[in-house]
Amino acid sequence: NAGVTQTPKFQVLKTGQSMTLQCAQDMNHNSMYWYRQDPGMGLRLIYYSASEGTTDKGEVPNGYNVSRLNKREFSLRLESAAPSQTSVYFCASSNEVNSQPQHFGDGTRLSIL
Amino acid sequence: QKEVEQNSGPLSVPEGAIASLNCTYSDRGSQSFFWYRQYSGKSPELIMSIYSNGDKEDGRFTAQLNKASQYVSLLIRDSQPSDSATYLCAVNGYSSASKIIFGSGTRLSIRP
Repeated sequence: NAGVTQTPKFQVLKTGQSMTLQCAQDMNHNSMYWYRQDPGMGLRLIYYSASEGTTDKGEVPNGYNVSRLNKREFSLRLESAAPSQTSVYFCASSNEVNSQPQHFGDGTRLSIL
Repeated sequence: QKEVEQNSGPLSVPEGAIASLNCTYSDRGSQSFFWYRQYSGKSPELIMSIYSNGDKEDGRFTAQLNKASQYVSLLIRDSQPSDSATYLCAVNGYSSASKIIFGSGTRLSIRP
C-alpha cells in the first residue's frame, strides 16, 4: 500500500531556479493538499484541491503554483526559488476537504541556497 | 489569537505515567478534531479523530472533546519511550468553509 507518494525526497536549489514537487495518491481520495513545515511553525497550508479540477489558496500561497493533474496527482511548482522557501514540504490527501482526516506523504526536504 | 493553540513543550513524563496533551481552538463552529503524531524527521500520522463531545478511547489513547470550552485533549496511558514525539492537534475551520487547521504541536518526551 503506497498511500501518498512524494518525489523527490531531497532537493537543493539555487536562488532563482524553478522546480516541481510531485505528489500522487492511490486511495481514491477527492481532496489533496500541500503544506510546508518550518521549525516551531507547525504545518502551514500552501494550496489545496477539494476535488479534481479545482484548486484554492491556503495560508501561504505566495511564490507557489499548483496543478491538479487528475484525481491521483497534485503538483507544486516553485517558479523562482527563494531562500525563504527552504522548508519541508508535505503532500496530503483525504476523502473530503473539511471533515475527514488527512494522510501524509513522507515529505520533500528542500534547501534553497 | 491563533486558531489552534498548543503548548509547545517539551512535556516530560515518566515511563508508565499518563501524558496529557491539550489544545484550544477559536472557531466555535468547528466539528471535526484530530490528533496526529509526528516523529522527528517523519511525516504526521493520524492517531485519533473525534467529532462529538465526550471521550473516545482507542487502546492507550483517549481523546476528550468539550465544544463549550473549545478544548480538545489527548491522554496517553502507560506512556512508553516510543510515545516520545510531537503531537499535532488539528481542527476543521468551519467558519471559513475550508481546510483543517493545525496547531504548532506539543513535543512529548517519555523519560525511563
